[in-house]
Amino acid sequence: SAVISQKPSRDICQRGTSLTIQCQVDSQVTMMFWYRQQPGQSLTLIATANQGSEATYESGFVIDKFPISRPNLTFSTLTVSNMSPEDSSIYLCSVGDTLSLHGYTFGSGTRLTVV
Amino acid sequence: SQQGEEDPQALSIQEGENATMNCSYKTSINNLQWYRQNSGRGLVHLILIRSNEREKHSGRLRVTLDTSKKSSSLLITASRAADTASYFCATDARDSSYKLIFGSGTRLLVRP
Repeated sequence: SAVISQKPSRDICQRGTSLTIQCQVDSQVTMMFWYRQQPGQSLTLIATANQGSEATYESGFVIDKFPISRPNLTFSTLTVSNMSPEDSSIYLCSVGDTLSLHGYTFGSGTRLTVV
Repeated sequence: SQQGEEDPQALSIQEGENATMNCSYKTSINNLQWYRQNSGRGLVHLILIRSNEREKHSGRLRVTLDTSKKSSSLLITASRAADTASYFCATDARDSSYKLIFGSGTRLLVRP
């Protein structure tokens, strides 16, 4: 299964600023997924990122707030824009497909605190 | 949005006991997966069960799936302190999106 390197692992940011999170995969993958995990909660899907096309956002998430880039089949970034304390969460990227018996692979997560 | 609910929300057991977690979901699925998360970090895939399977084993893990009730259970036998973690079920959307939708999770504490 794929190995994902996610950076940064954590950050403390001022409100009103933006943070870009990077995920690098050690193999080419068609789809990458970005999740948010608010404190003490489960994972909520933000968007699906396909190479060469606009990301597909889930209900409640918009491109202006969470712009995503997918320049090639091994890399993606998620930006959290104009941050507020409510954006304090763990953000995770993931790759996989439902045809695989090995499940999905997740990055180690970015713990974001907005002050 | 969450696909479904897990219960219990939290479970505390003694080392050596068995732990059972339940997951319910709402839509038709291709498969259901269970993941473990330690201390709010990355998720580790535990086991996948396909919609045409009813039971699956992997080491000390046993998963059942009842598609008529849209529910699944994860049993961890002979628990260890190292099993302390949050456990999540996740289902795929039965379309071409390949996205995983997660349940609400169970926090398991195994006391030494």
